[in-house]
Amino acid sequence: DAGVIQSPRHEVTEMGQEVTLRCKPISGHNSLFWYRQTMMRGLELLIYFNNNVPIDDSGMPEDRFSAKMPNASFSTLKIQPSEPRDSAVYFCASSHPESYAEAFFGQGTRLTVV
Amino acid sequence: AQKVTQAQTEISVVEKEDVTLDCVYETRDTTYYLFWYKQPPSGELVFLIRRNSFDEQNEISGRYSWNFQKSTSSFNFTITASQVVDSAVYFCALNSGGGADGLTFGKGTHLIIQP
Repeated sequence: DAGVIQSPRHEVTEMGQEVTLRCKPISGHNSLFWYRQTMMRGLELLIYFNNNVPIDDSGMPEDRFSAKMPNASFSTLKIQPSEPRDSAVYFCASSHPESYAEAFFGQGTRLTVV
Repeated sequence: AQKVTQAQTEISVVEKEDVTLDCVYETRDTTYYLFWYKQPPSGELVFLIRRNSFDEQNEISGRYSWNFQKSTSSFNFTITASQVVDSAVYFCALNSGGGADGLTFGKGTHLIIQP
């Protein structure tokens, strides 16, 4: 199993630009999560999907952030326009109904907004 | 609301010493899951253990052991005979949505094992 795949691994962009982070969950997993990790706030849940449907986006910091899951094997997290305070590591994770809440994490995308 | 507290921001010990990482949680749910994840310097999150709220048996896996006590809402992690490769940030996490929702993480404990 290839695990959760995120792309890109690193992204450097200028303030004001649109940024799109991508995630491919593990095949057969029906829950997908986006987390953000910063020094100040630690690991925070931004949004999660069950069966491709967004369930809770209360962790999304602002309207500049949006996430989609058009099918069971792909999700995106978009920031438009990006700001320096969005700099963080963004993790995608997926889980299976029978995994008892164990989330399998991708390698993360390190985003730097200059 | 759920909350996970890891009061130890950083711990430094000399190799071969035993070390315990503390985790205290808060939840109103009676069914929940507790986790420990390891984040080495390379940055990935590595799953270590899951424990459900109905199973208070302590668990041992090699040099790692976990002590779950519902009476004190704690889920502590002990590394015996620590090694330099154990150096990492360790996160305790809580899920009380039956697995369908996400994890609430503590702020993490940075463990430094000195040779």
